[in-house]
Amino acid sequence: DADVTQTPRNRITKTGKRIMLECSQTKGHDRMYWYRQDPGLGLRLIYYSFDVKDINKGEISDGYSVSRQAQAKFSLSLESAIPNQTALYFCATSDRLAAYTDTQYFGPGTRLTVL
Amino acid sequence: AQKVTQAQTEISVVEKEDVTLDCVYETRDTTYYLFWYKQPPSGELVFLIRRNSFDEQNEISGRYSWNFQKSTSSFNFTITASQVVDSAVYFCALSSQGGSEKLVFGKGTKLTVNP
Repeated sequence: DADVTQTPRNRITKTGKRIMLECSQTKGHDRMYWYRQDPGLGLRLIYYSFDVKDINKGEISDGYSVSRQAQAKFSLSLESAIPNQTALYFCATSDRLAAYTDTQYFGPGTRLTVL
Repeated sequence: AQKVTQAQTEISVVEKEDVTLDCVYETRDTTYYLFWYKQPPSGELVFLIRRNSFDEQNEISGRYSWNFQKSTSSFNFTITASQVVDSAVYFCALSSQGGSEKLVFGKGTKLTVNP
């Protein structure tokens, strides 16, 4: 089984709809992240969480919200989807070493299309 | 501020050629990590390597090698004897303590290896 799973893998929705993307991990990591990828722009950080009670905005958090339901689960919500939120969304996890964040490992991605 | 530049947007080679992907980074921190990730056409992000700022030794793993030079702020990736399966988008990324240990990605280099 994959260590980091994302559901759904593909989603088509309409402008104005609220949708939720879910991420689960079995790696036992305490840090989780949400990124979006747009062609030619690389990956940009939306939100990150260093533990269940610690949630932080990333580079492009407007229009998004998150929930860390448990150490292993981190959900991303689009309150009112708009077409420019059409993108590939990735969840990632990492562990914390003694003094530093370890490597981030990514889920398979969710392709979201907003019509 | 942290920044990663991958100046090569797309590279096309013929199988068995060697190819180098360039990565230049900017950070004011003395402690930082550099990463390479591979994104094949299937879309997932695969971790390839992590290097910390105190270790300038080059690394070789099979046909892959990495050249880290602090003097030029570069972390270049070379594929020797390229194969069609190497076709992918490759991302360089930077994480530093001054940046709250968040990953900053370059925009990626799309490598196409033709038979």
